[in-house]
Amino acid sequence: AQSVTQLDSHVSVSEGTPVLLRCNYSSSYSPSLFWYVQHPNKGLQLLLKYTSAATLVKGINGFEAEFKKSETSFHLTKPSAHMSDAAEYFCVVTGGNKLVFGAGTILRVKS
Amino acid sequence: GAGVSQSPSNKVTEKGKDVELRCDPISGHTALYWYRQSLGQGLEFLIYFQGNSAPDKSGLPSDRFSAERTGGSVSTLTIQRTQQEDSAVYLCASTNQGNTEAFFGQGTRLTVV
Repeated sequence: AQSVTQLDSHVSVSEGTPVLLRCNYSSSYSPSLFWYVQHPNKGLQLLLKYTSAATLVKGINGFEAEFKKSETSFHLTKPSAHMSDAAEYFCVVTGGNKLVFGAGTILRVKS
Repeated sequence: GAGVSQSPSNKVTEKGKDVELRCDPISGHTALYWYRQSLGQGLEFLIYFQGNSAPDKSGLPSDRFSAERTGGSVSTLTIQRTQQEDSAVYLCASTNQGNTEAFFGQGTRLTVV
């Protein structure tokens, strides 16, 4: 079975500072992992995905994530936050039938 | 179409009424998911269709919920005798294979009054 734990329900950063959103997963399979972003009153948009190729994955809008099997982690990072990054972020694992979502992390960016 | 289409975008219904929510996946996608997103909650898996296989219904919260997928394309999620706790955004997603990214519709916001 798969599960995902997003370690922070809320993260607040200042504009221009680094972003770190933490995700740990559990999977019986070789997992595929994703990060999705949801802006207020908008649909879910894929930021990036890991599917057993390179462990460092680059996504849209300057985000990247590193798959660390030994730590069962897939943390999302960005070197410099922008006001437009304020949104809710979901870490997702799949390896079987269903996409399993984390509870989400709300990112707040202060000016 | 170019993306996953859901209708209606908003639905207000009276408690006890039945509702049908529609999802039109991306053409050619074999897998289709329904999720529910309640206020302040994460995404709750409801049901998964893959090709002609029996659907995975393990996430349906009660027997008031059912879903069909006709001809491997359009899906309808039906909620009978709606309750106020059914109020949520219902999201549909489709994907080509189990391990590639899922594309989500904009959702149907259901409000039960």
